[in-house]
Amino acid sequence: RKEVEQDPGPFNVPEGATVAFNCTYSNSASQSFFWYRQDCRKEPKLLMSVYSSGNEDGRFTAQLNRASQYISLLIRDSKLSDSATYLCVVNMWDSGTYKYIFGTGTRLKVLA
Amino acid sequence: NAGVTQTPKFQVLKTGQSMTLQCAQDMNHNSMYWYRQDPGMGLRLIYYSASEGTTDKGEVPNGYNVSRLNKREFSLRLESAAPSQTSVYFCASNRDSPREKLFFGSGTQLSVL
Repeated sequence: RKEVEQDPGPFNVPEGATVAFNCTYSNSASQSFFWYRQDCRKEPKLLMSVYSSGNEDGRFTAQLNRASQYISLLIRDSKLSDSATYLCVVNMWDSGTYKYIFGTGTRLKVLA
Repeated sequence: NAGVTQTPKFQVLKTGQSMTLQCAQDMNHNSMYWYRQDPGMGLRLIYYSASEGTTDKGEVPNGYNVSRLNKREFSLRLESAAPSQTSVYFCASNRDSPREKLFFGSGTQLSVL
């Protein structure tokens, strides 16, 4: 079983739609959780950290469920510019450093 | 702020050739990482360095060597390149806090023919 699993998509949605991505992780010792955005052939960039209480940043809402080892990202009022791959990332302490484990990413295409 | 600088951006090698990917960060970060990204595979950790003078293997270290020359620089070397090493390589760094994000270089697209 992969340590971090995501639905690869693609999710094709019209502009203005609400879309949700899910991610599951296998290691219960995981400490921190993130969503990164990656545009084609570019480096990943942090979209938002995910906190236990849930957090929101404009049109983006992230949720964490530690009991179910599940992370979600909700995008409201999708824009064309939201088209990208969204990477779920889990951080854990291992062998003297924090290791970041990446999911394979979920592709989103927002259609005009 | 330069952040993480990675060179070269593109490279084509023949099987058996060697090369070194360079990475430098100017944020005084202790931890540095090398990842490779292949279609459908996500980013996979090759090697990491928790501090100057220390390096450790990640998930896919075979065929690679690394050097943490000083706190700023962390290089990745392919001694004898193979077609299976065709990939996009990313260097990253962070400040050793569990809530700290990774800062990435812009990537190196490597093709081995």
